[in-house]
Amino acid sequence: QVQLQESGPGLVKPSQTLSLTCTVSGGSISSGGYYWSWIRQHPGKGLEWIGYIYYSGSTYYNPSLKSRVTISVDTSKNQFSLKLSSVTAADTAVYYCGRGRHWFDPWGQGTLVTVSS
Amino acid sequence: EIVLTQSPGTLSLSPGERATLSCRASQSVTSSYLAWYQQKPGQAPRLLIYGASSRATGIPDRFSGSGSGTDFTLTISRLEPEDFAVYYCQQYGSSRPYTFGQGTKLEIK
Repeated sequence: QVQLQESGPGLVKPSQTLSLTCTVSGGSISSGGYYWSWIRQHPGKGLEWIGYIYYSGSTYYNPSLKSRVTISVDTSKNQFSLKLSSVTAADTAVYYCGRGRHWFDPWGQGTLVTVSS
Repeated sequence: EIVLTQSPGTLSLSPGERATLSCRASQSVTSSYLAWYQQKPGQAPRLLIYGASSRATGIPDRFSGSGSGTDFTLTISRLEPEDFAVYYCQQYGSSRPYTFGQGTKLEIK
């Protein structure tokens, strides 16, 4: 079955850009008509949807993050990526990638990103 | 933005009992576009229900979802030990951004 795995730095300095990659295995990112999403969870708190991408490159972002977010896709590597610029401590969270545009299934295991100098 | 309010914040029950979790939306959710997730400590959320009442693949039939408009319910008919976790609702209607509730913690009494 499809599995997702996030990767990237666990520590990012304030004002820098957070960059994460989600690698999809067990299925092609460009088949099946699926969208691919990023969601985050602040420590001990609830979930926040960040945005999604289709294999064609079409995207939609949460308006609250839109000015700082870029989601891209690399079909040759079966990966999609998240970039979040100008990070602050408020961006410290576990970042998840997931399959889907509306509901998300499955999810990656998540990766904790801490913003600190 | 649609705000989802889940209640209760914590629910204490025993295995074998019935659990009823509520999710109330600040405005009507388009076409019952509501999902439920289960999250255990240190794990990613797992999709249980989508479309308010459709079970995801592999989800036991003791889990059921209902509701429409602004009021939705997740029911677990007979609690198993592995069901004790945090549950989140999420709306994905035409009113973006998609939003999640703050969660209900289901704990063993």
